[in-house]
Amino acid sequence: DAGITQSPRHKVTETGTPVTLRCHQTENHRYMYWYRQDPGHGLRLIHYSYGVKDTDKGEVSDGYSVSRSKTEDFLLTLESATSSQTSVYFCAIAGTSDNEQFFGPGTRLTVL
Amino acid sequence: AQSVTQPDIHITVSEGASLELRCNYSYGATPYLFWYVQSPGQGLQLLLKYFSGDTLVQGIKGFEAEFKRSQSSFNLRKPSVHWSDAAEYFCAVGAWNNNDMRFGAGTRLTVKP
Repeated sequence: DAGITQSPRHKVTETGTPVTLRCHQTENHRYMYWYRQDPGHGLRLIHYSYGVKDTDKGEVSDGYSVSRSKTEDFLLTLESATSSQTSVYFCAIAGTSDNEQFFGPGTRLTVL
Repeated sequence: AQSVTQPDIHITVSEGASLELRCNYSYGATPYLFWYVQSPGQGLQLLLKYFSGDTLVQGIKGFEAEFKRSQSSFNLRKPSVHWSDAAEYFCAVGAWNNNDMRFGAGTRLTVKP
């Protein structure tokens, strides 16, 4: 299994509070991704990173920001959580941009 | 942008029966195609991928998929389903770089004893 961990694995928070999710990898892969998974939608890309300090938006980036100060860590921040951001969040990594992505175990976030 | 349609939300098959999960994609150039499997409470695991070459692709766990450009399809097949195959299956399509990979909504597979 690829060395990807996500923390926390479960979180319940209230509307309007900031939330940060962490993805940590031990594979030294260049590319890292954040997805959200919702019933009927599959996975949708939020943001991705192609190197330290290099990030870009995905399909559903509104309300989210990311940071990557080290190769191994990719943080996803919800500045002011809303109920529509209740979801399961997956991190993925890839060695090259055209190669398969390896997924972490997911973080279940509930915004009340 | 590319898109994926998985027409079947839920499929039930008997153990030992054959399986085919449908995937149709929309993309203007040569697609990079993937099938992932997700067991309950788990992350996604890659079953197989197609980039180029032989249009019949073999994957893990006895799965295969066939790329048909004329039909814009990449259907997943298994000749004999095992109870452990019960899971959710996702088809995905990427461009030459997978920084904009699009997933289908998934097909949930139930296996009857």
